[in-house]
Amino acid sequence: DVKVTQSSRYLVKRTGEKVFLECVQDMDHENMFWYRQDPGLGLRLIYFSYDVKMKEKGDIPEGYSVSREKKERFSLILESASTNQTSMYLCATRGRSRDTQYFGPGTRLTVL
Amino acid sequence: KNEVEQSPQNLTAQEGEFITINCSYSVGISALHWLQQHPGGGIVSLFMLSSGKKKHGRLIATINIQEKHSSLHITASHPRDSAVYICAVRLGNQFYFGTGTSLTVIP
Repeated sequence: DVKVTQSSRYLVKRTGEKVFLECVQDMDHENMFWYRQDPGLGLRLIYFSYDVKMKEKGDIPEGYSVSREKKERFSLILESASTNQTSMYLCATRGRSRDTQYFGPGTRLTVL
Repeated sequence: KNEVEQSPQNLTAQEGEFITINCSYSVGISALHWLQQHPGGGIVSLFMLSSGKKKHGRLIATINIQEKHSSLHITASHPRDSAVYICAVRLGNQFYFGTGTSLTVIP
C-alpha cells in the first residue's frame, strides 16, 4: 500500500510566521502535488513536482514556495503566513506511468 | 474557470436508497476519477475511467466521452457511505477537481 504522510494534522500559526508543511511518500513516485481545499472551491493546485529539484506552479502559487531535495519528500512553505491561507492542505503523489493519485491525510492550518 | 461541475452539491438519502451523483466536464481528458473523502480529510480513489462502466461492490461509475459526462451510482446506500464524493479529470500532468457532493445517508 502507498503511504503518504503529512507532518501535522492540525496547525495554528500567527500572521507573518514562516510555515513549513512536509509530505513524505514511500512508493518512489516521481510526481508530487500540493493542493488546498476550501469550502465551495474544491481542491486547487498550488505547486507540483515531477522530479527531484523540479517544480511547476499550479493555479494558485502566490504566497507559497516549495522544495524537493529528495524524491520522497515535498515541502510547502508559506513565507509569511496570512489569514487567507487558513485552509486544509493536501499532499498527493502519482507514479510516472500510473494514473491514480494517492493523498495524504491533510493538514488543517489556521492562521490567526 | 470550472472545468468540472458536479451535482448535486448536497444529498441526503435514507438507508437503502439508490443514489446518483453527476459530473460534467468541459475539457478533453485522459481519464476521469471518482474520489471519496471522509470526515477528517483523507481522500481515497474509488474509480479511474476512460470509457464505459466500472463496478466495485455497491458502487458503479459510468462515463460518456461524447457527452463529457460521468455518473457515480451507489446501490443499497448505507450510513457508512456518508462522505464527500469528488469528481476529478486528468489533463496532461494536472488534475482538475469538482467541488464535491456531500452525501449523508440516514439510518
